[in-house]
Amino acid sequence: DAGITQSPRHKVTETGTPVTLRCHQTENHRYMYWYRQDPGHGLRLIHYSYGVKDTDKGEVSDGYSVSRSKTEDFLLTLESATSSQTSVYFCAARSDGSEAFFGQGTRLTVV
Amino acid sequence: AQSVAQPEDQVNVAEGNPLTVKCTYSVSGNPYLFWYVQYPNRGLQFLLKYITGDNLVKGSYGFEAEFNKSQTSFHLKKPSALVSDSALYFCAVREVAAGNKLTFGGGTRVLVKP
Repeated sequence: DAGITQSPRHKVTETGTPVTLRCHQTENHRYMYWYRQDPGHGLRLIHYSYGVKDTDKGEVSDGYSVSRSKTEDFLLTLESATSSQTSVYFCAARSDGSEAFFGQGTRLTVV
Repeated sequence: AQSVAQPEDQVNVAEGNPLTVKCTYSVSGNPYLFWYVQYPNRGLQFLLKYITGDNLVKGSYGFEAEFNKSQTSFHLKKPSALVSDSALYFCAVREVAAGNKLTFGGGTRVLVKP
């Protein structure tokens, strides 16, 4: 999917544990995004980045943090996972003036 | 704040008939508009976009969309639907002035019956 790789693809974790999802891109895109997809809610923006070390909150950022220390990697951390964070997480990336390209998604289950 | 609405959760259409998926948006300035498609257990795939210029935009797989500024709409259309068009479709908006946020609608499931 246009050089965007998410890892892991599937993860089961316990309530209260920290979890980090990784998004890696090979096309030198400036902007990167994390979304979650839940039935009945479509895709909701969690956090996004507009450059190295430049990030901002989306509409559902509570309980999540992000880091972008280099262009190609955008990490999403659930500081203390809760069952409400069980979801499918998608990463996207784009360059100036272009459409966004998506990764394959990470299915996270919090038990 | 920018927002997108897809008023139909599901659209059912017979194969060979025209397909329309509705989208309306709200931004304070000029919009960039996008349509994406998602097949089961896959990421989103880009179909088409409106940036500026001609209000009728043509995209992948025979899809097109019409930008209507007065109605703040960007409906997706296909003249003759295929069973393989059955999927989840998302409309998205990015405000030119805001620059960075990309906001999606709730999605519309399309079911094309043979």
